[in-house]
Amino acid sequence: QKEVEQNSGPLSVPEGAIASLNCTYSDRGSQSFFWYRQYSGKSPELIMSIYSNGDKEDGRFTAQLNKASQYVSLLIRDSQPSDSATYLCAVNWRSSASKIIFGSGTRLSIRP
Amino acid sequence: EAGVTQFPSHSVIEKGQTVTLRCDPISGHDNLYWYRRVMGKEIKFLLHFVKESKQDESGMPNNRFLAERTGGTYSTLKVQPAELEDSGVYFCASSQVRGEAPLHFGNGTRLTVT
Repeated sequence: QKEVEQNSGPLSVPEGAIASLNCTYSDRGSQSFFWYRQYSGKSPELIMSIYSNGDKEDGRFTAQLNKASQYVSLLIRDSQPSDSATYLCAVNWRSSASKIIFGSGTRLSIRP
Repeated sequence: EAGVTQFPSHSVIEKGQTVTLRCDPISGHDNLYWYRRVMGKEIKFLLHFVKESKQDESGMPNNRFLAERTGGTYSTLKVQPAELEDSGVYFCASSQVRGEAPLHFGNGTRLTVT
């Protein structure tokens, strides 16, 4: 089992719709969860961080965390073409207390 | 506030040569991480410094890779001798708090070994 798993996509969503990105992780001790956006040829940039079960909203973005199910998701409302990018899920690896582990990313494409 | 800076942005070297990558973290960030993304694969953890100490180097591929952070400021990652499979984008990131704070990434160094 991979440490952090994401569907690689591409996920195609019409403009204005909700994009839903999912991530599962294998370390039950993980406490910190992050979503990064990476445009082609660029470095990852932080979109959201979440530490507690439930939902966290920031503008058009909502992160959802369910530690019992070891599942974290990102919802993007009113999707825009500029949201087209690869979305990376990252999780801190509690057993080492140092590592932050990344999933392979989901490629999101917003079609006009 | 300056972000994480990496140098060079690109490097093309021949198999068997040596390359040294440099990372300057955000001022005041004790935690410095190196990651690598090989084409088509996920961003893989290489190692983590807290100040000048290596906290976790479990992701270093082999002993051809040497990372240093003398004085706890900038860090270097040396590959010697380089192999074809070392090609990829090497990212440096820094954070204020170990494992619990978001990482701030540099723009990466694209390494091509021919």
